[in-house]
Amino acid sequence: GAGVSQSPSNKVTEKGKDVELRCDPISGHTALYWYRQRLGQGLEFLIYFQGNSAPDKSGLPSDRFSAERTGESVSTLTIQRTQQEDSAVYLCASSEDGGSRETQYFGPGTRLLVL
Amino acid sequence: AQSVTQPDIHITVSEGASLELRCNYSYGATPYLFWYVQSPGQGLQLLLKYFSGDTLVQGIKGFEAEFKRSQSSFNLRKPSVHWSDAAEYFCAVGNTGGFKTIFGAGTRLFVKA
Repeated sequence: GAGVSQSPSNKVTEKGKDVELRCDPISGHTALYWYRQRLGQGLEFLIYFQGNSAPDKSGLPSDRFSAERTGESVSTLTIQRTQQEDSAVYLCASSEDGGSRETQYFGPGTRLLVL
Repeated sequence: AQSVTQPDIHITVSEGASLELRCNYSYGATPYLFWYVQSPGQGLQLLLKYFSGDTLVQGIKGFEAEFKRSQSSFNLRKPSVHWSDAAEYFCAVGNTGGFKTIFGAGTRLFVKA
């Protein structure tokens, strides 16, 4: 079946603008993660959705970042008033039920460049 | 707090040579351990994982990893590297009973002819 998809693949924006990144998880996967990957660095956890439970937002770096998920389907990550330090690859992953022993399936990422 | 250290930022090996990528973790109990690979322009893909039992685990693409509790390590190995193995490799630790997975900073593998 289809894997995790993300759009857009690349996004160039001007400082101060808002951006919205989209993630379509694998159908049937109840858990969804967002990560940020800065150049040359590892993955930084941002937010976690599991079914209808309240999301774990403990990784969001500031209140400019927010995310939503519609049921167990598509998720959007919104960054308001973008800053140059927001430039990174944003990765989305989904897993069957969200436990830490589950394999995460990653999308190709959205490369964000803030000028 | 749990953490993952990959001491080598990048490694270069000749095609056909053996490979070992190092990973050390910090965690109070036996964690769930993973190796993922990120090829250029692609998302991360699971190579192998360890939860319990046999400490030597086999993965895809001819990779294996060994869990050593005494050294808090989970090193990735391959006996003979192919040019297509050039990629970035991430070691990760999952906390038992939770949902979070902590990723290391990654090791970029270069393969020379």
